[in-house]
Amino acid sequence: EAQVTQNPRYLITVTGKKLTVTCSQNMNHEYMSWYRQDPGLGLRQIYYSMNVEVTDKGDVPEGYKVSRKEKRNFPLILESPSPNQTSLYFCASSLAGAHNEQFFGPGTRLTVL
Amino acid sequence: GDSVTQMEGPVTLSEEAFLTINCTYTATGYPSLFWYVQYPGEGLQLLLKATKADDKGSNKGFEATYRKETTSFHLEKGSVQVSDSAVYFCAPVNFGNEKLTFGTGTRLTIIP
Repeated sequence: EAQVTQNPRYLITVTGKKLTVTCSQNMNHEYMSWYRQDPGLGLRQIYYSMNVEVTDKGDVPEGYKVSRKEKRNFPLILESPSPNQTSLYFCASSLAGAHNEQFFGPGTRLTVL
Repeated sequence: GDSVTQMEGPVTLSEEAFLTINCTYTATGYPSLFWYVQYPGEGLQLLLKATKADDKGSNKGFEATYRKETTSFHLEKGSVQVSDSAVYFCAPVNFGNEKLTFGTGTRLTIIP
């Protein structure tokens, strides 16, 4: 089944404890991206990647890192999480670029205490 | 950069009512226009799209027409169902600009 998977689905952590949220797609998509969803603010793009080893900042990249060492994986790294990064995170992928249909993962709900 | 203004929610309608969710955008050139839908507890999924002026996207009874003169892409449905309860997001995307900008989303609740 074609899908985007994220792990974990739920995470509660404490300020400053490094964490990684994994994202994997099995559709051989070139474009992958991360979003956070917050009440009243909608969906905001954190980082995106056009292909392996190519990443770029979205609208809210501060406090986040990403890497794209393999085409199928695009992990989101929070080196030192803070409470303002409490949010619902979505990974998405598409065939080639933002103008193609985006396929979203199920989301990761992160709480930073 | 691209930006989008969506009708503020929440919107509550009775079953079989007519739905309009407004979306206007600011973008250079000729963006493609998308509506995505998020059902409770799920990620977003594409609802419909239009790639050039006067194109009409349609899916599941929803329609939206690309109006370049008014820079709008309003979502409509003639008779909503309880299963349409979801959050709807509008997104303009310029080819070559690989950032994606979504609207804030409009929460729709349909009452039986």
